[in-house]
Amino acid sequence: QKEVEQNSGPLSVPEGAIASLNCTYSDRGSQSFFWYRQYSGKSPELIMSIYSNGDKEDGRFTAQLNKASQYVSLLIRDSQPSDSATYLCAVGGNTDKLIFGTGTRLQVFP
Amino acid sequence: ETGVTQTPRHLVMGMTNKKSLKCEQHLGHNAMYWYKQSAKKPLELMFVYNFKEQTENNSVPSRFSPECPNSSHLFLHLHTLQPEDSALYLCASSPTGGRDEQYFGPGTRLTVT
Repeated sequence: QKEVEQNSGPLSVPEGAIASLNCTYSDRGSQSFFWYRQYSGKSPELIMSIYSNGDKEDGRFTAQLNKASQYVSLLIRDSQPSDSATYLCAVGGNTDKLIFGTGTRLQVFP
Repeated sequence: ETGVTQTPRHLVMGMTNKKSLKCEQHLGHNAMYWYKQSAKKPLELMFVYNFKEQTENNSVPSRFSPECPNSSHLFLHLHTLQPEDSALYLCASSPTGGRDEQYFGPGTRLTVT
């Protein structure tokens, strides 16, 4: 079992819709959770962090964490074509590094 | 300069060349990382430095040699590379490592001919 799992996609949503990206992790001791956005050929950019159960909202983005289910998600409201990118989930625990998922490619079509 | 910078942004080198990649962070962080990302593949962690000490070497071939002279600078020395080493090399930093958020530099696009 991979430590951090994401569906590779592509996830295709129409402009204006809600995009829902999901991530599961295997280490129950994980304590920090991050979402990164990576445009093609560019470096990952941190867009959300979440540390406790529940929802965290920042503009059009909402991160949701459920530690009991070992599940973290990212909702993007009012999706725009400029949101088309690969979204990486990263999880931090008791090691000297973050564990990254393989990413979900999101396509927002007009 | 702000954030994490990397130079050069693009590098083409022959298999017998020796070159170095440089990373500098202006965030006051204490942990720095090298990642490799090949085309359409996930991030691969190569090295971790925490307070200038190497804490992880992810089975990286010896033709890649990291150097961390202080908490702000990180180098990756390259020699006798193979064409399959062509990739985007990313540097990142974080406040104290471990479960902290990481901030990435723009990357160096390396092509080995």
